[in-house]
Amino acid sequence: ETGVTQSPTHLIKTRGQQVTLRCSSQSGHNTVSWYQQALGQGPQFIFQYYREEENGRGNFPPRFSGLQFPNYSSELNVNALELDDSALYLCASSLDGHNEQFFGPGTRLTVL
Amino acid sequence: GIQVEQSPPDLILQEGANSTLRCNFSDSVNNLQWFHQNPWGQLINLFYIPSGTKQNGRLSATTVATERYSLLYISSSQTTDSGVYFCAGPDNTDKLIFGTGTRLQVFP
Repeated sequence: ETGVTQSPTHLIKTRGQQVTLRCSSQSGHNTVSWYQQALGQGPQFIFQYYREEENGRGNFPPRFSGLQFPNYSSELNVNALELDDSALYLCASSLDGHNEQFFGPGTRLTVL
Repeated sequence: GIQVEQSPPDLILQEGANSTLRCNFSDSVNNLQWFHQNPWGQLINLFYIPSGTKQNGRLSATTVATERYSLLYISSSQTTDSGVYFCAGPDNTDKLIFGTGTRLQVFP
């Protein structure tokens, strides 16, 4: 059984740029959730994708968008990067969204 | 939405000591997870525990759903137990709401 994987591990961008983060769900899981974790805080929910459809969104602006593919892997896109977007981005997969969630190792994004 | 409070915020132990971490919820939750975040940021699943008690080695957890709290017990702590411990529960849309964490440091 393959766990949740994320790429890249680290990323450095400048303000105004765009970034795409990727996540492969654990085998057998059809739901991916994305979280942002700022330094010293708990993860904050961004959005969830279930069977390729957005299934819930947290308090994040529209420049945060996502996709889920037929194999249930997912992308998180952030446009017009701001300094406050610097954080650890975590994805989690689960079966049907309301069960136990398993997290990937995260992507650490630094915006300069 | 629900709010999650964790206590204590920080805990310093000597190797071999026992500890109890607490998680309070503002509303009832139909499941609850405990995680350990290692220094590299990876969230490791410890327990998925809607109610009752579970044990895994030196760790155990108890959730009393009717009173909206959960406890994580760490016995005979080791330096590798250091890190941040989070509890999280779903709101009515199944998104996980995390507490602010308990930072544990175990010294030899």
